[in-house]
Amino acid sequence: AQKVTQAQTEISVVEKEDVTLDCVYETRDTTYYLFWYKQPPSGELVFLIRRNSFDEQNEISGRYSWNFQKSTSSFNFTITASQVVDSAVYFCALSEDAPFGNEKLTFGTGTRLTIIP
Amino acid sequence: SAVISQKPSRDICQRGTSLTIQCQVDSQVTMMFWYRQQPGQSLTLIATANQGSEATYESGFVIDKFPISRPNLTFSTLTVSNMSPEDSSIYLCSVANGAKLFFGSGTQLSVL
Repeated sequence: AQKVTQAQTEISVVEKEDVTLDCVYETRDTTYYLFWYKQPPSGELVFLIRRNSFDEQNEISGRYSWNFQKSTSSFNFTITASQVVDSAVYFCALSEDAPFGNEKLTFGTGTRLTIIP
Repeated sequence: SAVISQKPSRDICQRGTSLTIQCQVDSQVTMMFWYRQQPGQSLTLIATANQGSEATYESGFVIDKFPISRPNLTFSTLTVSNMSPEDSSIYLCSVANGAKLFFGSGTQLSVL
């Protein structure tokens, strides 16, 4: 069975600090996909990234970066120079190998990030 | 990106009644997914809805409690039947568009 663990329940940092959100996953599949979603106070889920298990290159998108390490089954998310608008609950998720459009997600329990002005 | 419209956005219902949630997508999709997010919790997949066939339910969810319709490639409904306070949650539909999975804004259900 698939499992996603986000051990950090809540994190608070002062604005402009860097912060890393941890995600550890378990799966028996050799091909799988990892996701990060942001859920701001308004409640909608905002897609951030999808990464397949064969692509271990780190990715950077503006102030966001992701570190995928297959050896430790981790897919950590770093926000650089945090801003108040980054305050949200962040979910890491895992899906089995499936054709586009057929992925079923297993979510972690989320990390509530609060950026203090 | 896919635009997903969910109705209603919120509702307060009495115990024992049923509520049907609608999900409309602006493009044709093969699969639509229904998730539940209980208060302060993560998201749990309820079922997968494929047009033209019965929905596939995850462990712990049954068709009698959560009947799903999928009449075409852009629309689905989830009914929460015979509600109890334990059904108070946010219910979200989800679709994939290429490599991205999108979620509707959710239906916040409170059962008294």
